[in-house]
Amino acid sequence: AQSVTQLDSQVPVFEEAPVELRCNYSSSVSVYLFWYVQYPNQGLQLLLKYLSGSTLVKGINGFEAEFNKSQTSFHLRKPSVHISDTAEYFCAVSERAGNNRKLIWGLGTSLAVNP
Amino acid sequence: DGGITQSPKYLFRKEGQNVTLSCEQNLNHDAMYWYRQDPGQGLRLIYYSQIVNDFQKGDIAEGYSVSREKKESFPLTVTSAQKNPTAFYLCASSPKRAQGPTEAFFGQGTRLTVV
Repeated sequence: AQSVTQLDSQVPVFEEAPVELRCNYSSSVSVYLFWYVQYPNQGLQLLLKYLSGSTLVKGINGFEAEFNKSQTSFHLRKPSVHISDTAEYFCAVSERAGNNRKLIWGLGTSLAVNP
Repeated sequence: DGGITQSPKYLFRKEGQNVTLSCEQNLNHDAMYWYRQDPGQGLRLIYYSQIVNDFQKGDIAEGYSVSREKKESFPLTVTSAQKNPTAFYLCASSPKRAQGPTEAFFGQGTRLTVV
């Protein structure tokens, strides 16, 4: 079964600095990968996804992620963060379960952007 | 606008009482999901349904029940058998495609507190 590891539970960073949130998964067989963002007391919103094709994926709010099959990683990056990026970020992998698929979630990374 | 509506946003329950959380979607999605979120534990799948009148247990189904009588609705009942029900509950849906996975779309969540 798939597993997803978000390597940092908390990432503090200053405004306008670059940030990388790390995500590793356990299997490279037909993987589909997602990053979601959750603002306090709200649901999750899709940031970006990798299904196939180019390994560099661009998402909303200036975020991007790179799929690295050899390292089984899907790290999320932003070159310059804003205070409004403060949120919880979740990495997820789609896993086949019988005739269906389900999402396997990491535990989340809390990004705190300080002025 | 299309989306997923969870109600209520905040819910208080006395110990020993059952309570039902509402989830409605007008996205015409086939699949619906219920997740529980606790601090530092990511998202844990309670139940999911791929089609009307059918649903499967997730990883932490004990103490919960669901129904799927209509495509648009997937209510979750937290029963008195759930020993630690205080949590943030998230409902999600996704379309069903013949090839590959699709992302999940989330409601705004219901925060349940047992008093």
